[in-house]
Amino acid sequence: NAGVTQTPKFRILKIGQSMTLQCTQDMNHNYMYWYRQDPGMGLKLIYYSVGAGITDKGEVPNGYNVSRSTTEDFPLRLELAAPSQTSVYFCASSSPDPPRVNTEAFFGQGTRLTVV
Amino acid sequence: QQQVKQSPQSLIVQKGGISIINCAYENTAFDYFPWYQQFPGKGPALLIAIRPDVSEKKEGRFTISFNKSAKQFSLHIMDSQPGDSATYFCAAGYSSASKIIFGSGTRLSIRP
Repeated sequence: NAGVTQTPKFRILKIGQSMTLQCTQDMNHNYMYWYRQDPGMGLKLIYYSVGAGITDKGEVPNGYNVSRSTTEDFPLRLELAAPSQTSVYFCASSSPDPPRVNTEAFFGQGTRLTVV
Repeated sequence: QQQVKQSPQSLIVQKGGISIINCAYENTAFDYFPWYQQFPGKGPALLIAIRPDVSEKKEGRFTISFNKSAKQFSLHIMDSQPGDSATYFCAAGYSSASKIIFGSGTRLSIRP
């Protein structure tokens, strides 16, 4: 199994450009997440989805958009790139098992984005 | 604001020593506390997790100690090895929800 796959691995954007970070998982997980990781700041949740057609904001959603048309894919859209969005972005998925809803999250290898 | 505070930011331990990383949380409703390990260039991976109905959980050389009254939990790595050199994140969440809150991370270096 490939697990969680993110593309691209690296990208340089100019201020004001837009791009989509792709994320796909082959584990049939219902829950998917987007995090950004800044040095010394841990992982901040941007958006998450509990199933196809359902998305919700996390801690730092401003400047981003998501969609979830299929179970497998959860793309993250940056519309007007700003230097503050320079970060490493991680996609993750999990398969909650009631009653213990919180279970292991599987992460992709990340996308390093630089906005200049 | 829900927060998970992690310390130290970085840690250097001699091979064979004990590595200790501490976390504190604010929200008493949290009931799921995982630790993630991240190697350079990789995404985080679950290392070990605990729920507040127990005070300690051990898996091999890794132990979580949990103090519910103090709202603190810690990761102990016994007989630390160079292969343990990585960044470690504590986190906290709710069993009834899908989100977890991560600490700021600890960069651990094990000297041979």
